[in-house]
Amino acid sequence: GAVVSQHPSRVICKSGTSVKIECRSLDFQATTMFWYRQFPKQSLMLMATSNEGSKATYEQGVEKDKFLINHASLTLSTLTVTSAHPEDSSFYICSAHSTRPRKNIQYFGAGTRLSVL
Amino acid sequence: DQQVKQNSPSLSVQEGRISILNCDYTNSMFDYFLWYKKYPAEGPTFLISISSIKDKNEDGRFTVFLNKSAKHLSLHIVPSQPGDSAVYFCAASAGYGGSQGNLIFGKGTKLSVKP
Repeated sequence: GAVVSQHPSRVICKSGTSVKIECRSLDFQATTMFWYRQFPKQSLMLMATSNEGSKATYEQGVEKDKFLINHASLTLSTLTVTSAHPEDSSFYICSAHSTRPRKNIQYFGAGTRLSVL
Repeated sequence: DQQVKQNSPSLSVQEGRISILNCDYTNSMFDYFLWYKKYPAEGPTFLISISSIKDKNEDGRFTVFLNKSAKHLSLHIVPSQPGDSAVYFCAASAGYGGSQGNLIFGKGTKLSVKP
């Protein structure tokens, strides 16, 4: 159990376009989902915490108008990178917080590699 | 300033021997610690966790040790197998039992187990 699906796995887009990434918890309900960003040889950096039915909480330095997060249901959160630029190229990973089957565990999606030309 | 540090970017171990991955933290409010394993082009997979009320947790070949006074934890894998080759991330959170579960990650240690 506790599978998280993230789509797409890879995106190549032109500068100025917007990209939407979906994160779904397939077999459990996730009231809280997290979005991370990882640069090469760096740790996973938390971008924002997404709570179902409410506004996301962004970490310091993360532009909320650039990284739009929507958590409209207990199984789906989306991250939209608006007007993407080459510096937004990175590996984006979502996770869903679950109390079952294990308490206080985050289960991760496979990640999305974004390349902005 | 990094709150969770994995000072060894890589580790190479012979198959069958013990792998020891280390992690240090600075925030005394952390009370829950996790290890994740990550293969290339995949998301991290939960491996094992430990709460601050314990100093050891064991699950099969994997054991995590916690030394609160030293703010140090380690992951032992014994015996190591080639399939264990991956990047291992240490993560910590404050408020075990809380609803948010925010995690702070280290930079990871790449483990290579050689046949």
